[in-house]
Amino acid sequence: SAVISQKPSRDICQRGTSLTIQCQVDSQVTMMFWYRQQPGQSLTLIATANQGSEATYESGFVIDKFPISRPNLTFSTLTVSNMSPEDSSIYLCSVGGTYTDTQYFGPGTRLTVL
Amino acid sequence: QQQVKQSPQSLIVQKGGISIINCAYENTAFDYFPWYQQFPGKGPALLIAIRPDVSEKKEGRFTISFNKSAKQFSLHIMDSQPGDSATYFCAASGKSSSNTGKLIFGQGTTLQVKP
Repeated sequence: SAVISQKPSRDICQRGTSLTIQCQVDSQVTMMFWYRQQPGQSLTLIATANQGSEATYESGFVIDKFPISRPNLTFSTLTVSNMSPEDSSIYLCSVGGTYTDTQYFGPGTRLTVL
Repeated sequence: QQQVKQSPQSLIVQKGGISIINCAYENTAFDYFPWYQQFPGKGPALLIAIRPDVSEKKEGRFTISFNKSAKQFSLHIMDSQPGDSATYFCAASGKSSSNTGKLIFGQGTTLQVKP
């Protein structure tokens, strides 16, 4: 299984600011995903980030609010822009392969917006 | 059609008992059904997964039962232990052009195993 790290592990931010979350994988992967997990809730897919193409966003999530970069096959970033308290969540990246459905998750970034 | 419905929301089981969590789906394009275990402050960890070509898969104390005609699948935890206390999520994904690889998660079940 892939080893995934995320930075920062947690942060407390002020309303109106932006935070960039990094996701690093120990091997090259084709597909990376970003999920949001609101307090006490399930996971909701924000977008799919494939290297060499624009991220694909799910309904309810837009690029201006959650810009994503995928510069290579081991790294991706998710920015949460112009934050409000409603953005307080755990943000998780996951990785999967082209020929496997298995997805592995990073430890998550716990974001609190004041 | 993209929903995965999970029940119960919470479950309390005595040590040594059987924990059963159920999920149902609508989208017949789904062809991969994993279960994840999540401890507080951690990311979800893949526990066990099944494809529709088999009706049951067992790994240690964990078993998935799959009913394709009913579009239901369940997780059984045999001989439940206090260390199994966590939140469990079922999920589904398919290979259709619109959702390749992405997981649709159930609402989650918080399991407490009492000593």
